[in-house]
Amino acid sequence: DAKTTQPTSMDCAEGRAANLPCNHSTISGNEYVYWYRQIHSQGPQYIIHGLKNNETNEMASLIITEDRKSSTLILPHATLRDTAVYYCIVRESNSGYALNFGKGTSLLVTP
Amino acid sequence: ETGVTQSPTHLIKTRGQQVTLRCSSQSGHNTVSWYQQALGQGPQFIFQYYREEENGRGNFPPRFSGLQFPNYSSELNVNALELDDSALYLCASSHRDSYNEQFFGPGTRLTVL
Repeated sequence: DAKTTQPTSMDCAEGRAANLPCNHSTISGNEYVYWYRQIHSQGPQYIIHGLKNNETNEMASLIITEDRKSSTLILPHATLRDTAVYYCIVRESNSGYALNFGKGTSLLVTP
Repeated sequence: ETGVTQSPTHLIKTRGQQVTLRCSSQSGHNTVSWYQQALGQGPQFIFQYYREEENGRGNFPPRFSGLQFPNYSSELNVNALELDDSALYLCASSHRDSYNEQFFGPGTRLTVL
């Protein structure tokens, strides 16, 4: 699976959009971009995934650049409950094996 | 729909002992994965079980072993505990036909003294 690079930490004001970047310059054509988050003292939670088109669900939007070497997870209106560690993971869909978590981005949403 | 549950919540063991951690998968899920998360790190894949057989393994020694039962519940066994085994152990369940979303339990916090 391709390696990802994320900033260690980010801050966001409550109510504003949180934009979390991820670099995955070695991504291959059949690899998807997945995002999970882990709120303190809980297990990771799936957010969204995509291949090359932008994706949106009730939690977030995923913007993938045309060359697929980077992506941005957008939380449109961050709340205090969005404070968590966000993990960007690249893997083949339905590969059946591990999610290779890195260290992720620690997002702090402030009042 | 019942989510993924794990037991116990916390556990303290001493070096050299053995431990068994348990996980109940979400209803309808036939695949379970186990992860180890050291303090300040992301979860690391230990292994995955499908139809009661190991279906993939990360870089963990053989003293980490597992079982999956017909009702899709699962156990993680660790023998000869070492201090570095202190971590949060997470299980995640998914359906074989859809690995896109894995559902994680709250984890078991293991402390080895």
